[in-house]
Amino acid sequence: GAVVSQHPSRVICKSGTSVKIECRSLDFQATTMFWYRQFPKQSLMLMATSNEGSKATYEQGVEKDKFLINHASLTLSTLTVTSAHPEDSSFYICSASSWDQPQHFGDGTRLSIL
Amino acid sequence: DAKTTQPPSMDCAEGRAANLPCNHSTISGNEYVYWYRQIHSQGPQYIIHGLKNNETNEMASLIITEDRKSSTLILPHATLRDTAVYYCLNSYGGSQGNLIFGKGTKLSVKP
Repeated sequence: GAVVSQHPSRVICKSGTSVKIECRSLDFQATTMFWYRQFPKQSLMLMATSNEGSKATYEQGVEKDKFLINHASLTLSTLTVTSAHPEDSSFYICSASSWDQPQHFGDGTRLSIL
Repeated sequence: DAKTTQPPSMDCAEGRAANLPCNHSTISGNEYVYWYRQIHSQGPQYIIHGLKNNETNEMASLIITEDRKSSTLILPHATLRDTAVYYCLNSYGGSQGNLIFGKGTKLSVKP
């Protein structure tokens, strides 16, 4: 089956630091990638949708200047959490899809801001 | 808000079939039914999807009612490793569909 790789799996950093998370589709070309956030004991919440070569579309309430998304190729999207604060601590998960592939998810990045 | 409703939890004996129901009474004609599962601290895993017809793959079977207002995911021989939260979602599919996750069903497979 389709494989989506997400890196790093865990990040611990100080408040004010910017953190970049990578999402790669390893065996298919992902025309669309999605970024989700999941707080403890809650379901996944969609943050943004990005199509290759286009600006990301953010969900209501998600700050685009804080969560920078780049989808420069058909196999790579990145999410940068800028000037992270403790309230940004969460489980961030990406997914990738194409016209003939359902969304396949990465294993997530657990971000802890001290 | 999620467009599907599922029971919050279910138990199943190891080796028996697990039948997970889902209601999606507002599904539109072009929307697919998708099933994913999430094992603790991992990303969701794709299981199966369908539009109208019943579907089967190496993981599970999907039974969709004729009016498409509900469906059932069947794990034919549940194992302890099938313990997870199972999500039923409606989406237009491929690159066109956002997945709106509800709370899912927590399936506990017991020895």
